[in-house]
Amino acid sequence: GESVGLHLPTLSVQEGDNSIINCAYSNSASDYFIWYKQESGKGPQFIIDIRSNMDKRQGQRVTVLLNKTVKHLSLQIAATQPGDSAVYFCAESGANAGGTSYGKLTFGQGTILTVHP
Amino acid sequence: GAGVSQSPRYKVAKRGQDVALRCDPISGHVSLFWYQQALGQGPEFLTYFQNEAQLDKSGLPSDRFFAERPEGSVSTLKIQRTQQEDSAVYLCASSAQRSGYTFGSGTRLTVV
Repeated sequence: GESVGLHLPTLSVQEGDNSIINCAYSNSASDYFIWYKQESGKGPQFIIDIRSNMDKRQGQRVTVLLNKTVKHLSLQIAATQPGDSAVYFCAESGANAGGTSYGKLTFGQGTILTVHP
Repeated sequence: GAGVSQSPRYKVAKRGQDVALRCDPISGHVSLFWYQQALGQGPEFLTYFQNEAQLDKSGLPSDRFFAERPEGSVSTLKIQRTQQEDSAVYLCASSAQRSGYTFGSGTRLTVV
């Protein structure tokens, strides 16, 4: 079936470096792509999203890039901090018939980001 | 409250026991979702409510799983005759119209 997957299961960086987390998706009909951060014992926390009609979106210290040609999504974190250490998931969603921005989400497997002081 | 609240945080059940997991969404949030997250995996969709209507239950793995949201606010996920493969974190998320999800911290279910 349709799936979202990650290339790298773990990423280790030094504090202050930039981090790039990658994701491949297979459902070309997806409308939204979202990045979540999940710390141990907590639920996923929204980082940033991008709609399928965009190719780049920037937030505070984060940038999401969408390449629909190769069905690839990436999350760039600038000046990575120890507090950024967590598991990062990409997720995709079609539009929700009920009118909310997201319908049900399909998550990838996750990348563990470890930031060393 | 300010966030999505789930209870209990941890639940240990003996195989064959029935369990009920509670989700208190953010007040006024129309949409409510349940997800199952196995260890080391991403969350997987179980079911979706809009107000009290269960619009999608395609992710429920078997007829032992049942969810309800009778008054369009609090939701309960019930698992009957629990099996070891049901061990996972069960996440609830709520959403207002035209906004993203807010996830709760989940209930970690361990079936022994």
